[in-house]
Amino acid sequence: KAGVTQTPRYLIKTRGQQVTLSCSPISGHRSVSWYQQTPGQGLQFLFEYFSETQRNKGNFPGRFSGRQFSNSRSEMNVSTLELGDSALYLCASSPILTGADEQYFGPGTRLTVT
Amino acid sequence: GQQLNQSPQSMFIQEGEDVSMNCTSSSIFNTWLWYKQDPGEGPVLLIALYKAGELTSNGRLTAQFGITRKDSFLNISASIPSDVGIYFCAGQSWGGGKLIFGQGTELSVKP
Repeated sequence: KAGVTQTPRYLIKTRGQQVTLSCSPISGHRSVSWYQQTPGQGLQFLFEYFSETQRNKGNFPGRFSGRQFSNSRSEMNVSTLELGDSALYLCASSPILTGADEQYFGPGTRLTVT
Repeated sequence: GQQLNQSPQSMFIQEGEDVSMNCTSSSIFNTWLWYKQDPGEGPVLLIALYKAGELTSNGRLTAQFGITRKDSFLNISASIPSDVGIYFCAGQSWGGGKLIFGQGTELSVKP
């Protein structure tokens, strides 16, 4: 079974631009979560989607948004990029949404904002 | 952002030695997960724990869910060079979804 895939793997953008990152979950997985990883803050939760609905949201500004499609694929968008948005953005999928679920991560998208 | 207290931050050990790392939280968690991350890659799930007091093994790895539900530890026995990487603990509250991560333990193994 193929793992979580993320595209693109690397991205360089300029301040003020916007960016869209894509995530395809493991086949059969319906929940997708997004995380930001930086050296200073570590791994921080952005948001979670299940059945095309945002279920949880982390403490990030409104410039960070996401969506999920009917095939469970997800995208996240960051508008008006700032230098501090440079990070590894990780997507994780899980098979079910219950009281406890295992999350499997993709390789991430390395975003550099100049 | 919210993080768990994970220690130690780094470890330098000799091949063949055993390793122990732990995570503590001020909050109760329903699930504890342990991940390993190699440079340039996403975290890989090693062990998942679902019940207080649960002890689970995966090869040379053993992890336990603390009885208070506020801590967990991971042991690696007889370390080998491919164990090198950053290990993260993650806690999850009831209802699933959002994971809270520790700061990571960077493991170096000298052959």
